[in-house]
Amino acid sequence: GAGVSQSPRYKVAKRGQDVALRCDPISGHVSLFWYQQALGQGPEFLTYFQNEAQLDKSGLPSDRFFAERPEGSVSTLKIQRTQQEDSAVYLCASSLEALGLQETQYFGPGTRLLVL
Amino acid sequence: AQSVAQPEDQVNVAEGNPLTVKCTYSVSGNPYLFWYVQYPNRGLQFLLKYITGDNLVKGSYGFEAEFNKSQTSFHLKKPSALVSDSALYFCAVRDKKTSYDKVIFGPGTSLSVIP
Repeated sequence: GAGVSQSPRYKVAKRGQDVALRCDPISGHVSLFWYQQALGQGPEFLTYFQNEAQLDKSGLPSDRFFAERPEGSVSTLKIQRTQQEDSAVYLCASSLEALGLQETQYFGPGTRLLVL
Repeated sequence: AQSVAQPEDQVNVAEGNPLTVKCTYSVSGNPYLFWYVQYPNRGLQFLLKYITGDNLVKGSYGFEAEFNKSQTSFHLKKPSALVSDSALYFCAVRDKKTSYDKVIFGPGTSLSVIP
């Protein structure tokens, strides 16, 4: 596709419900990032994939958060037993290369999650 | 710790006037710096980056940024603001502890261009 796409765009979940957020990166992009953006704040790093390998998950706030990219393209961020503090916009970004070349990251429109 | 600061939550400027959105950084060694813009209900869009070389970096939509090592700043500028420039602007720095392009974002500055 022409850019990074994310689905759903909006998700309302009841506290305790599991949710799955999908990211379709730009075709051929090696690197994929997930960020969490709370209201009025900048994006904060969650996790990084290089192809199918999850090389960094240091930003995941708890073990309720899980991400995968099994075939090195589409990625899913799963949040189990959602809590109100999980309410945020979840951004996905991809970039062409992987080896610290200061590549431009291309962002998707985000998924706005509201946990009631 | 590596970080960027954006000292202004909000910047207001009249259409046609020059605009500046401020950013300062704290990084050991040479920084790799970025500016992104976020329009309502849309993802972040890359504006420009400084890696090395000329301290004045030109980017998309007529924006430019000046890298100042002595002041540890990377302010975003535009000579003549447009109403359509109204958006959230994020300064960011590459985390140099990682071998990949992990980026640390600032808190953002909301720019309002008044007609």
